[in-house]
Amino acid sequence: AQKITQTQPGMFVQEKEAVTLDCTYDTSDQSYGLFWYKQPSSGEMIFLIYQGSYDEQNATEGRYSLNFQKARKSANLVISASQLGDSAMYFCAMREGLVNNDMRFGAGTRLTVKP
Amino acid sequence: DTGVSQDPRHKITKRGQNVTFRCDPISEHNRLYWYRQTLGQGPEFLTYFQNEAQLEKSRLLSDRFSAERPKGSFSTLEIQRTEQGDSAMYLCASTPGVWNYGYTFGSGTRLTVV
Repeated sequence: AQKITQTQPGMFVQEKEAVTLDCTYDTSDQSYGLFWYKQPSSGEMIFLIYQGSYDEQNATEGRYSLNFQKARKSANLVISASQLGDSAMYFCAMREGLVNNDMRFGAGTRLTVKP
Repeated sequence: DTGVSQDPRHKITKRGQNVTFRCDPISEHNRLYWYRQTLGQGPEFLTYFQNEAQLEKSRLLSDRFSAERPKGSFSTLEIQRTEQGDSAMYLCASTPGVWNYGYTFGSGTRLTVV
């Protein structure tokens, strides 16, 4: 069963605007971690931000913030002040349990920033 | 530290041939993961190691696939009798044993089976 769902295959945003990339997840574990990665056309996966299931505050890293709604099982990525270099694939991922298990990824969202 | 290194970057092989990929993780990372990514999809988990022990293998990893991590350092992923369906990007990642630490990925090896 698909554990991570990203419903937006592609998104467009105007430069300097904010954009939200959606992610919903499915787990029966109480302890889990949610991650977002960026994959530019060069192919390398770049870790952006992490949110733990017990974290009470939404995670932020520079222009990236994670809108974590635990009851709805959603972990949307918000990118503020978009830049042309933000154009890339974005993947949401989840790691379940307290043991350092493997990470499962969604299908991704392709973000295009328009000048 | 130069990050996670993968070699080769690209590999073209004929169907039926064997191929081997190498991954050198960040030296202080004890966990190493292999993923496969096809065009337009997210990475799919294949297997992972803690030090030299292979702790989990995905159902995706058929008998033609084998991975090793001798001495808990670099890792190799071998595919025997390659098939066209094996064409994909093979990604390696490493992480220390810290729960909230994201993986550091290498640039991947793109395999094309012709």
